[in-house]
Amino acid sequence: SQQGEEDPQALSIQEGENATMNCSYKTSINNLQWYRQNSGRGLVHLILIRSNEREKHSGRLRVTLDTSKKSSSLLITASRAADTASYFCATDAGTDKLIFGTGTRLQVFP
Amino acid sequence: NAGVTQTPKFQVLKTGQSMTLQCAQDMNHEYMSWYRQDPGMGLRLIHYSVGAGITDQGEVPNGYNVSRSTTEDFPLRLLSAAPSQTSVYFCASSYRTPSVFYEQYFGPGTRLTVT
Repeated sequence: SQQGEEDPQALSIQEGENATMNCSYKTSINNLQWYRQNSGRGLVHLILIRSNEREKHSGRLRVTLDTSKKSSSLLITASRAADTASYFCATDAGTDKLIFGTGTRLQVFP
Repeated sequence: NAGVTQTPKFQVLKTGQSMTLQCAQDMNHEYMSWYRQDPGMGLRLIHYSVGAGITDQGEVPNGYNVSRSTTEDFPLRLLSAAPSQTSVYFCASSYRTPSVFYEQYFGPGTRLTVT
């Protein structure tokens, strides 16, 4: 079974709105990463947050990590049509394996 | 730098045929991995390698073999293709220190259809 699960599975918003997606995982981790995948393409790394960090920012992205709840959230502020993509979290479960979640499909309408 | 390259981009196989998906990286990354992605799904780890000569199984290794004779190359072999192996295959590489993963760099993917 997959380590991480994203919620919601799909999200539709208007340009300018904020988009929030969540990731829950099952076992202790060393770090958690978020990736974006445009349709039919390879994944692109967005941000990495370590288990001893609670919040991290990168441009319009804000990631939080709550290790007590085994969950993370990705916030995209002021969404643009170009943000339309699938977003995945990935965790290491303290092993050599990087396991991906099931993803959130984000649609941003102009 | 070319980054992570994968060949072929598309492939159609008949059930029972074998083939090798190629993956190469020019970033001197120790860690390399193979994932498959089925429609509407996330990525599932097939095999990974923490360095030349070292490979291990991921979540869904059955029906696949790997080897890592050099730092640059990490080929994935399908031994006897089955329709259930129809998928998009991604190769990735990264730096890695013990217990710490870094940013994964992904190849463009190979779309495989098994009839």
